[in-house]
Amino acid sequence: DAGVIQSPRHEVTEMGQEVTLRCKPISGHNSLFWYRQTMMRGLELLIYFNNNVPIDDSGMPEDRFSAKMPNASFSTLKIQPSEPRDSAVYFCASTADTDTQYFGPGTRLTVL
Amino acid sequence: AQSVTQLDSQVPVFEEAPVELRCNYSSSVSVYLFWYVQYPNQGLQLLLKYLSGSTLVKGINGFEAEFNKSQTSFHLRKPSVHISDTAEYFCAVRETGFQKLVFGTGTRLLVSP
Repeated sequence: DAGVIQSPRHEVTEMGQEVTLRCKPISGHNSLFWYRQTMMRGLELLIYFNNNVPIDDSGMPEDRFSAKMPNASFSTLKIQPSEPRDSAVYFCASTADTDTQYFGPGTRLTVL
Repeated sequence: AQSVTQLDSQVPVFEEAPVELRCNYSSSVSVYLFWYVQYPNQGLQLLLKYLSGSTLVKGINGFEAEFNKSQTSFHLRKPSVHISDTAEYFCAVRETGFQKLVFGTGTRLLVSP
């Protein structure tokens, strides 16, 4: 298995632009998680889905952030408009209702 | 709500020395406990986990951890570290019946020759 796949690996954009991060979970996994990692705040859970349904989005910073999971093999995290304070590494993780979450390599976002 | 405390933000150690990374958690219900490792510019990788049974858990790369319910701790240990163990280590807790993982702030292990 290829593991959790995230794209792009790096994204540099200007303030005010729309940013879309993508994630493909491991095949057969039915839960998907989006995390953000910064030096100041560490690793934060933004939102997670179970069977494509958002279960807990209490970690989403504000309305500029939105996430979707249209099917079991694809999810997006969108920031519109982006701001410099959104600069971080965004991780996607998936699990098959077992105990272990498997993480993707992350997307490093820089907003200028 | 559960929480995780990793008191040491950075632990310097010489190669082949033993190391212990501390983790304490807080929860009002039973929990599962995890240690993840993050190498530079990579995602998190599971080192080991405690679900139930024996309180001493062995993981990959020679690491082990012991669950202590009375002290609400799950410290990570390795008897002899290598340069390649230099990384960030995260302790995490999940309440049984829930999927949400709560992570500690991480401990950076720095192994020098």
